[in-house]
Amino acid sequence: DVKVTQSSRYLVKRTGEKVFLECVQDMDHENMFWYRQDPGLGLRLIYFSYDVKMKEKGDIPEGYSVSREKKERFSLILESASTNQTSMYLCASGSRDEQYFGPGTRLTVT
Amino acid sequence: RKEVEQDPGPFNVPEGATVAFNCTYSNSASQSFFWYRQDCRKEPKLLMSVYSSGNEDGRFTAQLNRASQYISLLIRDSKLSDSATYLCVVRPRGYNKLIFGAGTRLAVHP
Repeated sequence: DVKVTQSSRYLVKRTGEKVFLECVQDMDHENMFWYRQDPGLGLRLIYFSYDVKMKEKGDIPEGYSVSREKKERFSLILESASTNQTSMYLCASGSRDEQYFGPGTRLTVT
Repeated sequence: RKEVEQDPGPFNVPEGATVAFNCTYSNSASQSFFWYRQDCRKEPKLLMSVYSSGNEDGRFTAQLNRASQYISLLIRDSKLSDSATYLCVVRPRGYNKLIFGAGTRLAVHP
């Protein structure tokens, strides 16, 4: 079974804090993805990576950065958290077409 | 206009009913099509791919109409366990990313 794990299920941070969200996959997938999911908007791609140290911007990269130092790990960084970054963050790994998602991190920025 | 549009529902149906969802996409160059399923407070999971000739997986039938740019999902003999949000997903040709609709919620009641 493919397993994608995320470091936290729930996180509460203050405005201006630096936030790290970690994702680990155990299937040796080249591709990893970070999405956020908001009611009525669906999943929106923030960043993705197709290899170690490689990254590409998704549809909404502003305010975020990523790091992929090892194949199995893909981190999402909020440099200075803002209240409009309160959301459900989902990590995925897999091919272009079939992606396996982690359980999500519900981040609240106060 | 959203790239992938779905009726948010909810569709409330009794057990045993047949229910159909449609989804429209705006990019005529879209190449791959999928339905993902997301249970309440869980991560999305691939339900099935959608092929040009239409395809069936048990009680689920997916159809693609390229001329009209819509995808459909038909569920026969609905079960309580089918209650979930169904996400329509497309991948445009030449892109390495998936584009998700906001989802259609299905509630099957006894």
